[in-house]
Amino acid sequence: DIQMTQSPSSLSASVGDRVIITCRASQSISTYLNWYQHKPGKAPKLLIFAASSLQSGVPSRFSGSGSGTDFTLTISSLQPEDFATYYCQLSYITPQTFGGGTKVEIK
Amino acid sequence: EVQLVESGGGLVKPGGSLRLSCAASGFTFTSNGMSWVRQAPGKGLEWVSTISSTSSHIYYADSVKGRFTISRDNAKNSLYLQMNSLRAEDTAVYHCARETEWIEYSMYYYGMDVWGQGTTVTVSS
Repeated sequence: DIQMTQSPSSLSASVGDRVIITCRASQSISTYLNWYQHKPGKAPKLLIFAASSLQSGVPSRFSGSGSGTDFTLTISSLQPEDFATYYCQLSYITPQTFGGGTKVEIK
Repeated sequence: EVQLVESGGGLVKPGGSLRLSCAASGFTFTSNGMSWVRQAPGKGLEWVSTISSTSSHIYYADSVKGRFTISRDNAKNSLYLQMNSLRAEDTAVYHCARETEWIEYSMYYYGMDVWGQGTTVTVSS
């Protein structure tokens, strides 16, 4: 099975900061990579699919990049509503493994 | 409004069974595959199972294979997860999610674009 490793596992940032989260696959997955945002007690939300395509309705401050084994999620200017846990996910190939998550906290 | 609502969670003893349901509304249920994803207390998201729109393709995580059965009733716009031989490590919030397909650069991509709030399953004696 393909393993998905996220880093960091948590970070502290201030409103307005640029935040970068990385995800590494244990073998090449082309661009079969999605990013989700999850807040406690809420339904997870799809942000990015196909590594870099912005899901409809998601603010443009979110962007994704990468292919093969290395991927990044960037939040260009962190907003108060962005404090949450972010997960990468291998898509199309089963098992559809999620990364361990990155918790973005207020500094 | 596109919506998924889970039900059926609860407290069950180890070795017991539970059946989760997910009611879909606001979209053409027969057009999408569906998945179950869970989150154990203090842990991250874990994919559990996926079923295609016609039930012709079904996939399970190794951790639940042979114990859990995913199914759907397209006439009732409903998704199910039959959970048998439950273990303490199955304790989690279980979310159902809609699988959507996109075509980008002549390639097919999939993602879970609609999720339910989840139903809590607790396995404890």
